[in-house]
Amino acid sequence: GIQVEQSPPDLILQEGANSTLRCNFSDSVNNLQWFHQNPWGQLINLFYIPSGTKQNGRLSATTVATERYSLLYISSSQTTDSGVYFCAVELSTDSWGKFQFGAGTQVVVTP
Amino acid sequence: DAGVIQSPRHEVTEMGQEVTLRCKPISGHDYLFWYRQTMMRGLELLIYFNNNVPIDDSGMPEDRFSAKMPNASFSTLKIQPSEPRDSAVYFCASSYSYNSPLHFGNGTRLTVT
Repeated sequence: GIQVEQSPPDLILQEGANSTLRCNFSDSVNNLQWFHQNPWGQLINLFYIPSGTKQNGRLSATTVATERYSLLYISSSQTTDSGVYFCAVELSTDSWGKFQFGAGTQVVVTP
Repeated sequence: DAGVIQSPRHEVTEMGQEVTLRCKPISGHDYLFWYRQTMMRGLELLIYFNNNVPIDDSGMPEDRFSAKMPNASFSTLKIQPSEPRDSAVYFCASSYSYNSPLHFGNGTRLTVT
């Protein structure tokens, strides 16, 4: 099956720093989403981004489907950015809904 | 919008008991998903519905698990009988269409002793 790998597995940032999270996938995808799971366990959708670049405040994401990767950028990090960031990919429309989640990147932002 | 609503937030039960988890999707969303999250296996898709019809249940671990969606505003996930290895956080999610973002509920933390 399709493999989804996220890196790095853990990231410690000082408040105000910038960072890049990566999601690699082993086959072509039709859908890709980024999620943030906060320390209380809530899963928040950040981006629906099967291709191209999107920005939302201090966060932005880029997916290069032909190269089989997606990047999530966090700029001027804040303590509220702490949590686990997941990418989830869907292989094709025939298997729509079967999102495979990566193992996540655990981010800790220190004051 | 109140978002996806799940109940209960926490459930503690003894092995062998029946457990029913509930979900109310966002109004107007045609797709509803049940996920399970564990440390060992991460986030796994169990089953999803489109317009109240189950589309793919290949992720349901075994016959002890069943899910229903009797109408557009309500779904249940039932485990009977429950086992300690079913302990996990169960999430419900909904989406407007096949190419729109997933919105998750706050989850139900299930502990089976």
